[in-house]
Amino acid sequence: ILNVEQSPQSLHVQEGDSTNFTCSFPSSNFYALHWYRWETAKSPEALFVMTLNGDEKKKGRISATLNTKEGYSYLYIKGSQPEDSATYLCASLGFGNEKLTFGTGTRLTIIP
Amino acid sequence: GAGVSQSPSNKVTEKGKDVELRCDPISGHTALYWYRQSLGQGLEFLIYFQGNSAPDKSGLPSDRFSAERTGGSVSTLTIQRTQQEDSAVYLCASSPEGGDYEQYFGPGTRLTVT
Repeated sequence: ILNVEQSPQSLHVQEGDSTNFTCSFPSSNFYALHWYRWETAKSPEALFVMTLNGDEKKKGRISATLNTKEGYSYLYIKGSQPEDSATYLCASLGFGNEKLTFGTGTRLTIIP
Repeated sequence: GAGVSQSPSNKVTEKGKDVELRCDPISGHTALYWYRQSLGQGLEFLIYFQGNSAPDKSGLPSDRFSAERTGGSVSTLTIQRTQQEDSAVYLCASSPEGGDYEQYFGPGTRLTVT
């Protein structure tokens, strides 16, 4: 993996269902993985910054896991609500490099 | 407290004109970033300022793009002789330091070059 890749590109989920999506990133020289939520007409908002292999972080109904050896992170949303509709971006940071490399995002739409 | 602010929120300009985009970061944040998102693309890094260090300009797409940060606070991104491919949303972000600190984004400037 040379770039940050996210899948799926878009996702429709029924309200109340749980969902998850994937971020793949270069595992060599890894330093940090960021997750952001970007709602339409708003600024991207940080969800998590993760650095340690095996780390799991949680904020309300949203959680994320990190595997730095194989270069992937999962974002989970439990019991989806309409306000969860947004584009979810992940970004990777290499050691000694201050530039985040962003994926193209997963666009999540919650169906009421 | 106040977040990151950007101005203008929207800018329509004619091809060939120069434009200036402004970013006011969160007070005390030493790191400032500029990104852009073109239609259908991901966020693209443009430039990074950290304290008094020389900026990382490696993401600037051409020499028509330049940025400065005065007094370690406000930053201005200047695009000279704008082209239609410069049309995008330009986002500014700041963080307490670089690296593993989360970034706080401004609302962006939507630039349309006609």
